[in-house]
Amino acid sequence: GAVVSQHPSRVICKSGTSVKIECRSLDFQATTMFWYRQFPKKSLMLMATSNEGSKATYEQGVEKDKFLINHASLTLSTLTVTSAHPEDSSFYICSAQTSHGTESGYTFGSGTRLTVV
Amino acid sequence: DAKTTQPPSMDCAEGRAANLPCNHSTISGNEYVYWYRQIHSQGPQYIIHGLKNNETNEMASLIITEDRKSSTLILPHATLRDTAVYYCIVRVVYNNNDMRFGAGTRLTVKP
Repeated sequence: GAVVSQHPSRVICKSGTSVKIECRSLDFQATTMFWYRQFPKKSLMLMATSNEGSKATYEQGVEKDKFLINHASLTLSTLTVTSAHPEDSSFYICSAQTSHGTESGYTFGSGTRLTVV
Repeated sequence: DAKTTQPPSMDCAEGRAANLPCNHSTISGNEYVYWYRQIHSQGPQYIIHGLKNNETNEMASLIITEDRKSSTLILPHATLRDTAVYYCIVRVVYNNNDMRFGAGTRLTVKP
């Protein structure tokens, strides 16, 4: 089946530094990928839609200058958390639609647990 | 997309069927019902989806009422590894639209 690979799985960084998270579609091309954030015991919250070759679309309340999204190829999207602070500590998950224009739904990455100290 | 309502938690005995309900009373005619689950600290996993007919695959069965206002996900023989949060999502299917999650049901399978 379709696989979305997400790295790193865990990262600890110091406050004020930046962290990059990668999301790759391994055996299919994804023109659109999605980034979610999940706080403990809460549901997934959509942060942004990442479009290959164009600017990402951010959900209301998500700072685009803080969460930089780059989708430079059909198989790779990256999320960079800039100037991270402890409140950015969360579980970040990406997903991609496996088949264009069908009802097949999305495949999710395994997630990245970010801890800012 | 229409919103869904699910019980926050359920328990099930190992080996028994787990029946997870979902209410989507405002579903539109072109919206599908999807079920995903999330095991602790992992990404969500696709289970099954349907439009109006009942569906079955190797993981589960999906029963959708005739008026489509509710559905039930059935895990026929629950195992301990089925302990997870189960999300019911309704969405219109068109190119690259997003998928939004509600609170889900935390299913605990007990020995």
